[in-house]
Amino acid sequence: DIQMTQSPSSLSAAVGDRVTISCRASQFISSYLNWYQQKPGKAPKVLIYGASSLHSGVPSRFRGSGSGTDFTLTISSLQPEDFATYYCQQSYSNLKYTFGQGTKLEI
Amino acid sequence: EVQLVESGGGLVQPGGSLRLSCAASGLSFSIYAMSWVRQAPGKGLEWVSAISGSDGGTYYADSVKGRFTISRDHSTNTLYLQMNSLRAEDTAVYYCANVGPQYYFNYWGQGTVVTVSS
Repeated sequence: DIQMTQSPSSLSAAVGDRVTISCRASQFISSYLNWYQQKPGKAPKVLIYGASSLHSGVPSRFRGSGSGTDFTLTISSLQPEDFATYYCQQSYSNLKYTFGQGTKLEI
Repeated sequence: EVQLVESGGGLVQPGGSLRLSCAASGLSFSIYAMSWVRQAPGKGLEWVSAISGSDGGTYYADSVKGRFTISRDHSTNTLYLQMNSLRAEDTAVYYCANVGPQYYFNYWGQGTVVTVSS
């Protein structure tokens, strides 16, 4: 199975900061990379799909980039509602869509 | 409005069985693949299993292969996860999710809690 590795595991930042979260796949996955946001006690929500496409309704301060094995999620100006845990997910392997271990973004 | 509603979770002893259900509404259930994802207490998301919408092909994480069985009933728009030989490490919130046409999980249920303990 394809392994996904995120860094860092946790991150402290302030409102207005620009933050970057990295995700690396254990093998080539083209642009089949998604990003999710999860808040405590809630189901995850998709932010970015296909490495760089913004899901409907997601603010433009979220940006995804990368291809092949290395990917990045950037939040350009943190808002209070952005403090959450973020997961990358590969969707290259036929329906075996594995996740990274998550990055907890804290104030 | 799309809704995915899980049920069937609960407390079960090690070695026991449970069957989870996910009732889908507001989407073309027969067309798209569906998946189960779990989250152990305080841990990250773990992909568990998926079933194709077209040919019914099934896929499992190594951690559950041979113990869990995913299935779907197109007549009732319901997804299932039969879990046998349960272990303490299967304790988690189990979510069902719809796999959209662009290969991401676009709809999720609210989750159902499975606790494996004696």
